[in-house]
Amino acid sequence: LAKTTQPISMDSYEGQEVNITCSHNNIATNDYITWYQQFPSQGPRFIIQGYKTKVTNEVASLFIPADRKSSTLSLPRVSLSDTAVYYCLVGDDDYKLSFGAGTTVTVRA
Amino acid sequence: GAVVSQHPSRVICKSGTSVKIECRSLDFQATTMFWYRQFPKKSLMLMATSNEGSKATYEQGVEKDKFLINHASLTLSTLTVTSAHPEDSSFYICSAGGTAGRKYNEQFFGPGTRLTVL
Repeated sequence: LAKTTQPISMDSYEGQEVNITCSHNNIATNDYITWYQQFPSQGPRFIIQGYKTKVTNEVASLFIPADRKSSTLSLPRVSLSDTAVYYCLVGDDDYKLSFGAGTTVTVRA
Repeated sequence: GAVVSQHPSRVICKSGTSVKIECRSLDFQATTMFWYRQFPKKSLMLMATSNEGSKATYEQGVEKDKFLINHASLTLSTLTVTSAHPEDSSFYICSAGGTAGRKYNEQFFGPGTRLTVL
């Protein structure tokens, strides 16, 4: 499983866009990049997944450059309820996940 | 869809007792379930992989005789913490993959169980 590196924490204000970049220099050809969100005392929740280029869904966008050695999760117009820990994971289809330290995003009014 | 439940959500027990935590996939069949533990302000640590009908695979450093895992059906896995001690106090989270997953690595996590051992 490829190792990932993310910033420990990020602060933002309501209505701003938050971009979290994750480094995964050893990503393998078959690996997908997946982001999860976790609120305190809850299980993580799937946010978005991608393999290359850009993926967008109703809550976030994921940008992946051509070399795939990093990825950026973009949260548009955050609100207080987006305060959470965000995890970047890289792996293949054996379902086994390895969580890194994650990024604690704090959104202030 | 793809809901995973855990029971109990919170349990307090005395040192030396055993505690069973249930993980259920409510609307899909989970061929594989995973058990994690998470200490305060820390990340999730994978404890074991539970496959229906076979023995669980434990991660390095996790005592299989202390953390008994049973995955008897496609919708239920149980984790039993045997002879619990205060250092076992943690947040235990299960997840399920399998046929409900629409994407690679998409696991569905339960709400977690807070275990406190006195």
